[in-house]
Amino acid sequence: SQTIHQWPATLVQPVGSPLSLECTVEGTSNPNLYWYRQAAGRGLQLLFYSVGIGQISSEVPQNLSASRPQDRQFILSSKKLLLSDSGFYLCAWSVSPRQGGYEQYFGPGTRLTVT
Amino acid sequence: AQSVTQLGSHVSVSEGALVLLRCNYSSSVPPYLFWYVQYPNQGLQLLLKYTSAATLVKGINGFEAEFKKSETSFHLTKPSAHMSDAAEYFCAVSGSGAGSYQLTFGKGTKLSVIP
Repeated sequence: SQTIHQWPATLVQPVGSPLSLECTVEGTSNPNLYWYRQAAGRGLQLLFYSVGIGQISSEVPQNLSASRPQDRQFILSSKKLLLSDSGFYLCAWSVSPRQGGYEQYFGPGTRLTVT
Repeated sequence: AQSVTQLGSHVSVSEGALVLLRCNYSSSVPPYLFWYVQYPNQGLQLLLKYTSAATLVKGINGFEAEFKKSETSFHLTKPSAHMSDAAEYFCAVSGSGAGSYQLTFGKGTKLSVIP
Protein backbone atom coordinates (compact mmCIF):
# COMPACT_ATOMS: atom_id res chain seq x y z
CA SER A 1 0.00 0.00 0.00
CA GLN A 2 1.01 3.60 -0.49
CA THR A 3 2.37 5.75 2.32
CA ILE A 4 3.28 9.42 2.41
CA HIS A 5 5.69 10.89 4.93
CA GLN A 6 6.40 14.46 5.89
CA TRP A 7 9.02 15.87 8.20
CA PRO A 8 9.50 17.55 10.44
CA ALA A 9 6.10 17.42 12.11
CA THR A 10 6.57 20.80 13.77
CA LEU A 11 9.05 23.59 13.22
CA VAL A 12 9.67 26.96 14.85
CA GLN A 13 11.91 29.25 12.84
CA PRO A 14 12.92 32.93 13.16
CA VAL A 15 12.09 35.44 10.45
CA GLY A 16 14.79 35.51 7.78
CA SER A 17 15.95 31.94 8.34
CA PRO A 18 15.91 29.27 5.61
CA LEU A 19 13.36 26.48 5.33
CA SER A 20 13.39 22.95 4.03
CA LEU A 21 10.39 20.64 4.32
CA GLU A 22 10.54 17.15 2.89
CA CYS A 23 7.89 14.80 1.59
CA THR A 24 8.34 11.24 0.38
CA VAL A 25 5.90 8.73 -1.03
CA GLU A 26 6.25 4.96 -0.86
CA GLY A 27 4.48 2.23 -2.78
CA THR A 28 3.79 3.99 -6.07
CA SER A 29 5.73 5.15 -9.10
CA ASN A 30 5.66 8.47 -10.93
CA PRO A 31 3.09 10.09 -8.65
CA ASN A 32 1.89 13.64 -9.07
CA LEU A 33 3.02 15.57 -6.02
CA TYR A 34 1.55 18.67 -4.40
CA TRP A 35 2.36 21.22 -1.68
CA TYR A 36 -0.50 23.04 0.05
CA ARG A 37 -0.62 25.55 2.86
CA GLN A 38 -3.36 26.11 5.41
CA ALA A 39 -3.09 29.42 7.21
CA ALA A 40 -5.05 29.94 10.42
CA GLY A 41 -8.75 30.28 9.64
CA ARG A 42 -8.23 29.89 5.92
CA GLY A 43 -8.74 27.09 3.47
CA LEU A 44 -6.28 25.08 1.45
CA GLN A 45 -3.95 26.99 -0.84
CA LEU A 46 -2.14 25.05 -3.57
CA LEU A 47 1.48 26.21 -3.69
CA PHE A 48 3.21 23.86 -6.12
CA TYR A 49 2.60 20.67 -8.02
CA SER A 50 4.81 18.33 -9.97
CA VAL A 51 3.99 15.71 -12.59
CA GLY A 52 7.54 14.38 -12.86
CA ILE A 53 11.16 14.74 -11.78
CA GLY A 54 12.35 18.31 -12.24
CA GLN A 55 8.88 19.47 -13.38
CA ILE A 56 7.46 22.05 -11.00
CA SER A 57 4.42 24.26 -11.50
CA SER A 58 3.98 27.23 -9.18
CA GLU A 59 0.51 28.41 -8.34
CA VAL A 60 1.30 31.35 -6.09
CA PRO A 61 4.25 33.75 -6.52
CA GLN A 62 6.03 34.10 -3.20
CA ASN A 63 9.33 33.49 -1.49
CA LEU A 64 8.86 29.72 -1.50
CA SER A 65 10.25 27.25 -4.01
CA ALA A 66 9.86 23.54 -4.61
CA SER A 67 12.07 20.84 -6.05
CA ARG A 68 11.64 17.20 -7.00
CA PRO A 69 15.08 15.60 -7.04
CA GLN A 70 13.75 12.04 -7.12
CA ASP A 71 10.57 10.40 -8.38
CA ARG A 72 8.96 10.14 -4.95
CA GLN A 73 10.57 13.05 -3.14
CA PHE A 74 9.22 16.60 -3.01
CA ILE A 75 10.94 19.42 -1.14
CA LEU A 76 9.61 22.83 -0.18
CA SER A 77 12.19 25.52 0.50
CA SER A 78 12.69 29.13 1.32
CA LYS A 79 15.84 31.21 1.56
CA LYS A 80 14.34 33.74 4.00
CA LEU A 81 11.14 33.10 5.92
CA LEU A 82 8.50 35.75 6.47
CA LEU A 83 6.00 35.91 9.32
CA SER A 84 3.27 35.27 6.75
CA ASP A 85 4.83 31.89 5.94
CA SER A 86 3.47 30.47 9.19
CA GLY A 87 0.89 27.76 8.66
CA PHE A 88 0.21 24.08 8.24
CA TYR A 89 1.96 22.62 5.20
CA LEU A 90 0.52 19.57 3.55
CA CYS A 91 2.04 17.34 0.92
CA ALA A 92 -0.20 15.19 -1.26
CA TRP A 93 0.11 12.71 -4.10
CA SER A 94 -2.11 11.34 -6.84
CA VAL A 95 -1.83 9.02 -9.81
CA SER A 96 -2.26 10.32 -13.33
CA PRO A 97 -5.81 11.17 -14.45
CA ARG A 98 -5.10 8.95 -17.43
CA GLN A 99 -4.90 6.11 -14.93
CA GLY A 100 -8.30 7.08 -13.57
CA GLY A 101 -6.96 8.90 -10.56
CA TYR A 102 -8.17 12.31 -9.62
CA GLU A 103 -8.26 12.09 -5.85
CA GLN A 104 -5.28 13.19 -3.81
CA TYR A 105 -3.87 11.54 -0.72
CA PHE A 106 -2.42 13.72 1.98
CA GLY A 107 0.47 13.43 4.37
CA PRO A 108 0.30 14.23 8.09
CA GLY A 109 1.45 17.82 7.64
CA THR A 110 4.13 20.13 9.09
CA ARG A 111 3.16 22.90 11.48
CA LEU A 112 5.50 25.88 10.78
CA THR A 113 5.63 28.84 13.13
CA VAL A 114 7.75 31.79 12.09
CA THR A 115 8.69 34.01 15.03
CA ALA B 1 -13.18 27.00 -14.28
CA GLN B 2 -14.34 24.72 -11.51
CA SER B 3 -15.39 25.91 -8.08
CA VAL B 4 -17.14 24.61 -4.98
CA THR B 5 -19.16 26.43 -2.36
CA GLN B 6 -19.68 24.97 1.08
CA LEU B 7 -22.66 26.48 2.84
CA GLY B 8 -21.95 27.12 6.51
CA SER B 9 -18.47 27.41 7.93
CA HIS B 10 -19.73 25.91 11.21
CA VAL B 11 -22.40 23.27 11.77
CA SER B 12 -23.45 21.92 15.17
CA VAL B 13 -25.50 18.78 15.67
CA SER B 14 -26.45 16.71 18.68
CA GLU B 15 -25.02 13.26 19.10
CA GLY B 16 -27.32 10.82 17.29
CA ALA B 17 -28.80 13.49 15.01
CA LEU B 18 -28.57 13.66 11.24
CA VAL B 19 -25.44 15.25 9.80
CA LEU B 20 -25.92 17.31 6.62
CA LEU B 21 -23.02 19.26 5.15
CA ARG B 22 -23.78 21.16 1.97
CA CYS B 23 -21.64 21.50 -1.12
CA ASN B 24 -22.52 23.08 -4.46
CA TYR B 25 -20.19 22.94 -7.42
CA SER B 26 -19.66 24.77 -10.65
CA SER B 27 -18.07 22.94 -13.53
CA SER B 28 -18.07 23.27 -17.29
CA VAL B 29 -17.56 19.54 -17.70
CA PRO B 30 -18.94 16.49 -15.87
CA PRO B 31 -17.18 16.79 -12.55
CA TYR B 32 -15.39 14.40 -10.28
CA LEU B 33 -16.29 15.33 -6.71
CA PHE B 34 -14.78 14.48 -3.36
CA TRP B 35 -15.30 14.89 0.35
CA TYR B 36 -12.36 14.97 2.74
CA VAL B 37 -12.21 15.08 6.54
CA GLN B 38 -9.50 16.74 8.60
CA TYR B 39 -9.03 16.14 12.32
CA PRO B 40 -7.06 18.75 14.31
CA ASN B 41 -3.38 18.90 13.37
CA GLN B 42 -3.72 16.07 10.86
CA GLY B 43 -3.74 15.78 7.10
CA LEU B 44 -6.86 15.39 4.99
CA GLN B 45 -8.42 11.95 4.67
CA LEU B 46 -10.56 10.97 1.69
CA LEU B 47 -14.12 10.16 2.82
CA LEU B 48 -15.68 9.40 -0.54
CA LYS B 49 -15.59 10.25 -4.23
CA TYR B 50 -18.01 10.60 -7.13
CA THR B 51 -16.62 9.58 -10.49
CA SER B 52 -19.87 9.21 -12.49
CA ALA B 53 -20.45 5.53 -11.72
CA ALA B 54 -23.35 5.96 -9.28
CA THR B 55 -25.06 9.08 -8.00
CA LEU B 56 -25.25 7.85 -4.40
CA VAL B 57 -21.79 7.31 -3.07
CA LYS B 58 -20.99 5.56 0.18
CA GLY B 59 -17.82 6.35 2.05
CA ILE B 60 -16.02 5.52 5.22
CA ASN B 61 -17.32 6.03 8.77
CA GLY B 62 -20.96 5.78 7.66
CA PHE B 63 -20.96 8.87 5.46
CA GLU B 64 -22.59 9.10 2.06
CA ALA B 65 -23.18 11.77 -0.55
CA GLU B 66 -25.58 12.13 -3.44
CA PHE B 67 -24.67 13.75 -6.73
CA LYS B 68 -27.56 15.85 -8.07
CA LYS B 69 -26.74 17.31 -11.46
CA SER B 70 -29.94 19.38 -11.64
CA GLU B 71 -29.06 21.07 -8.37
CA THR B 72 -25.27 21.06 -8.94
CA SER B 73 -24.98 19.67 -5.43
CA PHE B 74 -23.00 16.99 -3.64
CA HIS B 75 -24.17 17.13 -0.03
CA LEU B 76 -22.61 14.91 2.62
CA THR B 77 -24.85 13.09 5.08
CA LYS B 78 -24.67 10.67 7.99
CA PRO B 79 -27.81 9.35 9.69
CA SER B 80 -26.49 9.51 13.25
CA ALA B 81 -23.65 11.72 14.45
CA HIS B 82 -20.95 10.38 16.76
CA MET B 83 -18.66 12.46 18.93
CA SER B 84 -15.77 11.18 16.82
CA ASP B 85 -17.26 12.91 13.74
CA ALA B 86 -16.24 16.32 15.10
CA ALA B 87 -13.77 17.59 12.50
CA GLU B 88 -13.50 19.87 9.50
CA TYR B 89 -14.92 18.68 6.21
CA PHE B 90 -13.84 19.80 2.76
CA CYS B 91 -15.64 19.37 -0.56
CA ALA B 92 -13.47 19.35 -3.69
CA VAL B 93 -13.92 19.21 -7.46
CA SER B 94 -11.41 18.07 -10.04
CA GLY B 95 -10.31 20.20 -12.94
CA SER B 96 -10.49 19.19 -16.57
CA GLY B 97 -7.93 18.83 -19.31
CA ALA B 98 -4.60 20.18 -18.20
CA GLY B 99 -6.23 21.22 -14.92
CA SER B 100 -7.34 17.71 -14.11
CA TYR B 101 -4.18 17.30 -12.06
CA GLN B 102 -5.60 19.76 -9.57
CA LEU B 103 -8.44 19.80 -7.08
CA THR B 104 -10.35 22.92 -6.16
CA PHE B 105 -11.36 22.85 -2.51
CA GLY B 106 -14.18 24.56 -0.68
CA LYS B 107 -13.37 26.61 2.37
CA GLY B 108 -14.42 23.86 4.72
CA THR B 109 -17.18 23.25 7.25
CA LYS B 110 -16.31 22.63 10.88
CA LEU B 111 -18.64 20.10 12.42
CA SER B 112 -19.26 20.16 16.16
CA VAL B 113 -21.11 17.29 17.87
CA ILE B 114 -22.91 18.14 21.09
CA PRO B 115 -23.24 15.33 23.65
